[in-house]
Amino acid sequence: DQQVKQNSPSLSVQEGRISILNCDYTNSMFDYFLWYKKYPAEGPTFLISISSIKDKNEDGRFTVFLNKSAKHLSLHIVPSQPGDSAVYFCAASAIGGTSYGKLTFGQGTILTVHP
Amino acid sequence: DSGVTQTPKHLITATGQRVTLRCSPRSGDLSVYWYQQSLDQGLQFLIQYYNGEERAKGNILERFSAQQFPDLHSELNLSSLELGDSALYFCASSVSPSSTGELFFGEGSRLTVL
Repeated sequence: DQQVKQNSPSLSVQEGRISILNCDYTNSMFDYFLWYKKYPAEGPTFLISISSIKDKNEDGRFTVFLNKSAKHLSLHIVPSQPGDSAVYFCAASAIGGTSYGKLTFGQGTILTVHP
Repeated sequence: DSGVTQTPKHLITATGQRVTLRCSPRSGDLSVYWYQQSLDQGLQFLIQYYNGEERAKGNILERFSAQQFPDLHSELNLSSLELGDSALYFCASSVSPSSTGELFFGEGSRLTVL
């Protein structure tokens, strides 16, 4: 049962253009969402997050949008740079209860930014 | 460098064997998490410890066990290994057990079972 899904295994974008990575979730208990970036031979690193009380969070070139009614979030990277080429994981958590800091991850999307 | 250290980085072993993966969290972090990433899969949550106590459990097999020691390092023990246990095993840490999600990950331990 995949509660967090990233339906695009890969995305290719030209340098300077916008990259849009999508993520869908099914569990209504999720109320905090994160994006992690992973380079080869490294562990995932935190990129940006959003609470369910917001619909947008911005940090420099990275913006995350949340559509709760559609159970959908997206990560926008503008402008894209070759150094952004990595695997991007969407993750979700349910704050409180017994879930604590447990994250549920999507399968990841490989982003390639061409010079 | 996330500050989370995992050893060994690579491990090759045979079916039926037992291995131990070790994790040292970031300085000051009390909570440790273990995740498994199999081929073409996302990270699957295995187990979480906070200050030596088990806090949350995911789909961790009975053949797997973990613990967190008084010095806060953690070990993940995998026994009676099967081919399907081949995966990347990540350890992550955070300051609190109920953080708003930001975990700091190690580089992972790649286990290959032949």
